[in-house]
Amino acid sequence: KAGVTQTPRYLIKTRGQQVTLSCSPISGHRSVSWYQQTPGQGLQFLFEYFSETQRNKGNFPGRFSGRQFSNSRSEMNVSTLELGDSALYLCASRTSPSTDTQYFGPGTRLTVL
Amino acid sequence: GENVEQHPSTLSVQEGDSAVIKCTYSDSASNYFPWYKQELGKRPQLIIDIRSNVGEKKDQRIAVTLNKTAKHFSLHITETQPEDSAVYFCAARRRANAGGTSYGKLTFGQGTILTVHP
Repeated sequence: KAGVTQTPRYLIKTRGQQVTLSCSPISGHRSVSWYQQTPGQGLQFLFEYFSETQRNKGNFPGRFSGRQFSNSRSEMNVSTLELGDSALYLCASRTSPSTDTQYFGPGTRLTVL
Repeated sequence: GENVEQHPSTLSVQEGDSAVIKCTYSDSASNYFPWYKQELGKRPQLIIDIRSNVGEKKDQRIAVTLNKTAKHFSLHITETQPEDSAVYFCAARRRANAGGTSYGKLTFGQGTILTVHP
């Protein structure tokens, strides 16, 4: 089975712009979670989607949003980018929210200038 | 919400020695505790996990122990090798309930940089 894939792998944006990141889960996995990883804050949960609905949300401002499509692929969007949004954005998939084990994608490295 | 504390933040050992990383959690309803290994520039990879109905789990050189009363769990790596060098993260989750109305999120510790010297 192919693993979790994320596109693009690297992205450079400037302050004020917006960005959309994509995540394709493992085949058969319907739950997708997003995390932000920074050296200072570590791995922080953004949100989880299942059946095209957001099921859980972390403590991030409304500039961070996401969605999930009927094929379980997910996108996250960050609007009005700030320098502090520079991070590695990881998505992880699992079969469903009641399944414990989740698998991470390779991440998208976002740099905001 | 859940809070996970991980110690130490860095750990340096000689090849062949054992390494122990400890985590404490705050939410007594947490019942799933995975450990991830992240090599430089790579994705976090699940190396072992334990559920609250088990006190210890072992997989070759890696073991995890859980003390529910004290709300802490530990990763033990024996006979360390240079390829064990990486950042290790612990995490905790309150599992989704049977009704599916509670969807637990994974809360991670801050990570431990493990360096194994040849």
